[in-house]
Amino acid sequence: KAGVTQTPRYLIKTRGQQVTLSCSPISGHRSVSWYQQTPGQGLQFLFEYFSETQRNKGNFPGRFSGRQFSNSRSEMNVSTLELGDSALYLCASSLVLGGSTDTQYFGPGTRLTVL
Amino acid sequence: SQQGEEDPQALSIQEGENATMNCSYKTSINNLQWYRQNSGRGLVHLILIRSNEREKHSGRLRVTLDTSKKSSSLLITASRAADTASYFCATGQAGTALIFGKGTTLSVSS
Repeated sequence: KAGVTQTPRYLIKTRGQQVTLSCSPISGHRSVSWYQQTPGQGLQFLFEYFSETQRNKGNFPGRFSGRQFSNSRSEMNVSTLELGDSALYLCASSLVLGGSTDTQYFGPGTRLTVL
Repeated sequence: SQQGEEDPQALSIQEGENATMNCSYKTSINNLQWYRQNSGRGLVHLILIRSNEREKHSGRLRVTLDTSKKSSSLLITASRAADTASYFCATGQAGTALIFGKGTTLSVSS
């Protein structure tokens, strides 16, 4: 089975712009979670989607949003980018809802740099 | 907020030696998971241990869980240069997301 894929792998944006990141989960996986990783804050949970519905949300401002499509693919969007949004954004998929109770499979990440 | 806290933050050993990393957490959990990350890449799942388990093995990895002390340890035996990576513990509870610690950076030199 193909693993979790994320596109693009690298992205450079300027402050104020918006960005959309994409994640394709492992075939058959219905839960997709997003994480932000920075040197200072470590791995922070953004949100989890299951069956096209957001089921859990982390403590991030409303500029961070996401969605999931009927084929389980997911996108996350960050509007009005700030310098502090520079990070590695990781997507993870799992078979069941509540990925915290099951193994999560991570993609390679999208490295976002905001200038 | 961080639930798991790994100790030590950094560890340097020689090939062939064993590496032990510890993780402490604060609240009750459903399971505890260990992940490895190679330099800025995605995380690779290593092992999941449920709250009713005390020890689990996978190849050269041994994980223990002590729920009374709210702690876990990851032992890598006979380390190799390829084990050089960051290791994260993550705690899972039903209905919530995985919460990761800040990780232990392991450096194995030949």
